[in-house]
Amino acid sequence: EEQLVEAGGGLVEPGGSLRLSCAASGFMFNHYGLNWVRQAPGKGLEWVSHISYNNWVIMYADSVKGRFIISRDNAKGLLYLEMNSLRAEDTAVYFCSRDGGRGWDMDVWGQGTTVSVSS
Amino acid sequence: QSALTQPASVSGSPGQSITISCTGTNNDIGYYNYVSWYQHLPGRAPKLLIYEVSNRPSGVSNRFSGSKFDSTASLTISGLQAEDEGDYFCMSFRSGHTLVFGGGTKVTVL
Repeated sequence: EEQLVEAGGGLVEPGGSLRLSCAASGFMFNHYGLNWVRQAPGKGLEWVSHISYNNWVIMYADSVKGRFIISRDNAKGLLYLEMNSLRAEDTAVYFCSRDGGRGWDMDVWGQGTTVSVSS
Repeated sequence: QSALTQPASVSGSPGQSITISCTGTNNDIGYYNYVSWYQHLPGRAPKLLIYEVSNRPSGVSNRFSGSKFDSTASLTISGLQAEDEGDYFCMSFRSGHTLVFGGGTKVTVL
C-alpha cells in the first residue's frame, strides 16, 4: 500500500522552529515530487511547498517563503519541512502529499501532523 | 496569493446531482488544464477525485465528473449518496510556479 506518514508536530512558541518529517512506503520515493499542504483550524487547504523528485524544482507559497525550507532524502524515503520564525497563523494540520505527475495533482496523502504556535 | 473561489456550501437530496464551481483567473484555471478536485472527510486524509480538469483516477466512482469553461472549473456529483457528505476542494497550478486551492465547499446530503 502506498503510504505517507507525517511526524514532528507539536506546540511551539512564536518565533520558534520546528522540523516536520514525512515517511514514505509502498512506492518508488525517488520517482515522485512531493508537497506540504496545511489546514488551519476551521479553514480550507493551503498549499505550502513543493519539491521535485530530483530537487531541481522547489516552490513555496508567499506566506512561508524565507521562513520554511523543504528538503528530501531519497535514500531514506523521507520528506522534511523545516519551519522557522513561526507565527500564530502557522498553526495548522500539516499534510504531506505525493505529486501524481499528471498536472500537479496530489494522489497520495498522509493523515497529517498538528502544529500549534502559541505562547 | 488569493484562493480560488468556491461556494461555501451546496446541498442536495439522495439521488440528485449537484455541481460545485471553482472560479479562478487567466493566471490559473483560465490558462492551464491543471485543475484537480479533492474530497476531504473529517479526520481523514484528502482524496483525489479528478485530475487535469476531467480525468478520474482508477478506483474513483464515475459519479464524480469534472469540466472547465473559461476560468471556471466544475465538479459534478451524480446520484448523490449520504457517504458523499464532506468538504470538497479544487486546486490549480498558477503562473509564477505556485499551487492554489479553493476555499472549499461543504456538501450536505439532505
